Amino acid sequence: DQQVKQNSPSLSVQEGRISILNCDYTNSMFDYFLWYKKYPAEGPTFLISISSIKDKNEDGRFTVFLNKSAKHLSLHIVPSQPGDSAVYFCAASNNAGNMLTFGGGTRLMVKP
Amino acid sequence: GAGVSQSPSNKVTEKGKDVELRCDPISGHTALYWYRQSLGQGLEFLIYFQGNSAPDKSGLPSDRFSAERTGGSVSTLTIQRTQQEDSAVYLCASSPTTGEGLQYFGAGTRLSVL
Repeated sequence: DQQVKQNSPSLSVQEGRISILNCDYTNSMFDYFLWYKKYPAEGPTFLISISSIKDKNEDGRFTVFLNKSAKHLSLHIVPSQPGDSAVYFCAASNNAGNMLTFGGGTRLMVKP
Repeated sequence: GAGVSQSPSNKVTEKGKDVELRCDPISGHTALYWYRQSLGQGLEFLIYFQGNSAPDKSGLPSDRFSAERTGGSVSTLTIQRTQQEDSAVYLCASSPTTGEGLQYFGAGTRLSVL
């Protein structure tokens, strides 16, 4: 029973355009949602997060939107750059923060 | 070092052998986590250490898996009698405190069981 799902295994966009990565969750007890980026042979690196009390958080080219009623969040990258090509993982934690529950990841390819 | 360090980076073993994977967390981080990523899958939680508290072992897939954390710092994940389905990348993460979920990951150990 996957509590965090990323239904698109891959996404291809043109450089300069917007990339939208989606994530759905089922557990209403999650308090924080995080996006991690992973390059091959490296560990995941933190990108951006959002608290469940907010519906938007922005950091430079990256914006995360949270729709609690739909149990859905999305990561927007604009403008997309070739260096953004990586696997993006959505993750969620409860208020204890003991562990992260990850989605299966979405491979983003940004074409020059 | 400044980041989470894991060793070895790659490990090839024969089915039935025991393996030990090591994690050096970021200095001062009280929380340490082990995850694994099987091919084409997301990260799966294995075990969590917080300070001197008893570890949360709820994610360990079988009793062949165990982990310890000595002196509140270095951690070792041990897999006994390895099976082919244990092949995965094992990732360690640490965080300064629990709460918001921000964790810092090492590069992982790629385990291949032949």
